[in-house]
Amino acid sequence: DAGVIQSPRHEVTEMGQEVTLRCKPISGHNSLFWYRQTMMRGLELLIYFNNNVPIDDSGMPEDRFSAKMPNASFSTLKIQPSEPRDSAVYFCASSFRNSNTGELFFGEGSRLTVL
Amino acid sequence: QQQVKQSPQSLIVQKGGIPIINCAYENTAFDYFPWYQQFPGKGPALLIAIRPDVSEKKEGRFTISFNKSAKQFSLHIMDSQPGDSATYFCAASKSAGANNLFFGTGTRLTVIP
Repeated sequence: DAGVIQSPRHEVTEMGQEVTLRCKPISGHNSLFWYRQTMMRGLELLIYFNNNVPIDDSGMPEDRFSAKMPNASFSTLKIQPSEPRDSAVYFCASSFRNSNTGELFFGEGSRLTVL
Repeated sequence: QQQVKQSPQSLIVQKGGIPIINCAYENTAFDYFPWYQQFPGKGPALLIAIRPDVSEKKEGRFTISFNKSAKQFSLHIMDSQPGDSATYFCAASKSAGANNLFFGTGTRLTVIP
């Protein structure tokens, strides 16, 4: 398996622009997570899905952020409009819920810079 | 509020040294404590995990020590190597299969040759 695939790996945009980050989870996994990593706050859970259904989005910073999972093999995280404080590395992770290990498999991340 | 507190923020050791990273939590409902390792430009990956029914777990050169009464756990790396240089995250959740995994803020480890 190729692992969790994220795109783009790097994104530089200007304040006010829309940003869309994409994720393809590992085939067979039924849970998908979006995390944000910054130096100050470490890894923060933004939202997670079980069986394509959003379960907890309490970590989404504000209404400018939205996430969708239209099917089991694709998810997007959208920021509109983007702001400089959104600059961070965004990770997507997937897992097979009900696993005894609960292991999260992370993608390589999307580094977002908002100027 | 940070559910899991991790220290130190960064750590530099000589090759062969034993770096120790410490974590503390408050929620007694936490029942699963994994450590993730992250190399530059990569996503975190599971390194080792422990449940509170044991006080220590070893996997190769990596050891987790767990103190349930103090609500603390730590990662020790024996005979550290330059290839161990990475960021280490402790985490906690209410069960191994729980979806909400709370991460510490990370420790950047540098092992000098």
